[in-house]
Amino acid sequence: QVQLVESGGGVVQPGGSLRLSCVASGFKFSDSAMHWVRQSPGTGLEWLAHIRNDGTTQWYADSVLGRFTISRDNSKNTIDLQMDSLRPDDTAVYYCVKPIAAAGIRTYFDSWGLGTRVTVSS
Amino acid sequence: EIVLTQSPATLSLSPGERATLSCRASESVSRYLGWYQQKPGQAPRLLISETSNRATGIPARFSGSGSGTDFTLVISSLEPEDSAVYYCQQRSAWPSFGGGTKVEIK
Repeated sequence: QVQLVESGGGVVQPGGSLRLSCVASGFKFSDSAMHWVRQSPGTGLEWLAHIRNDGTTQWYADSVLGRFTISRDNSKNTIDLQMDSLRPDDTAVYYCVKPIAAAGIRTYFDSWGLGTRVTVSS
Repeated sequence: EIVLTQSPATLSLSPGERATLSCRASESVSRYLGWYQQKPGQAPRLLISETSNRATGIPARFSGSGSGTDFTLVISSLEPEDSAVYYCQQRSAWPSFGGGTKVEIK
């Protein structure tokens, strides 16, 4: 059974940084691309970032390009999301998600974590 | 970016009734459209992919149809546990989601 467990959320001031982590289990992690998706009352569900199974390629939504960095460690079955220059509109629940297709960015998401909440406020 | 618009915003129906949810894309997504169900305090759950393919374990009362820019999710006979928010998502381009339709059971 696939399990995704996010951590690292919290309250941060505008301009600050936060690092989210996700531990995966129940599937061959090193064979699968992974993604981050967030959900806020204002913007709804928003795809953020993708990382290829071997970590060599990353893609980002325009809203976070240059501020967020996705990475992975296949030896630990983890993916991270480093978030810098945070803004109030980054306030959301952040989900680590497994795609239905092992490769590629144009996919659906068949497994989601419970999410970790990030609040950007002074 | 492909924008998905869902309607209605809220649907209030009785158990056993038929629910029809709409998702319209700002440009053609062919049949690359999926649906998710989200209950309070939970993450979204994939119901349907590629317009009409039910995910594993999804009851047959959920069905999807459409192509191009107009898509429909039908719940043929509502059960109390179907109370949730439903989102559409396209994968024709980088993923994007609709704003959701809340289904309330009277």
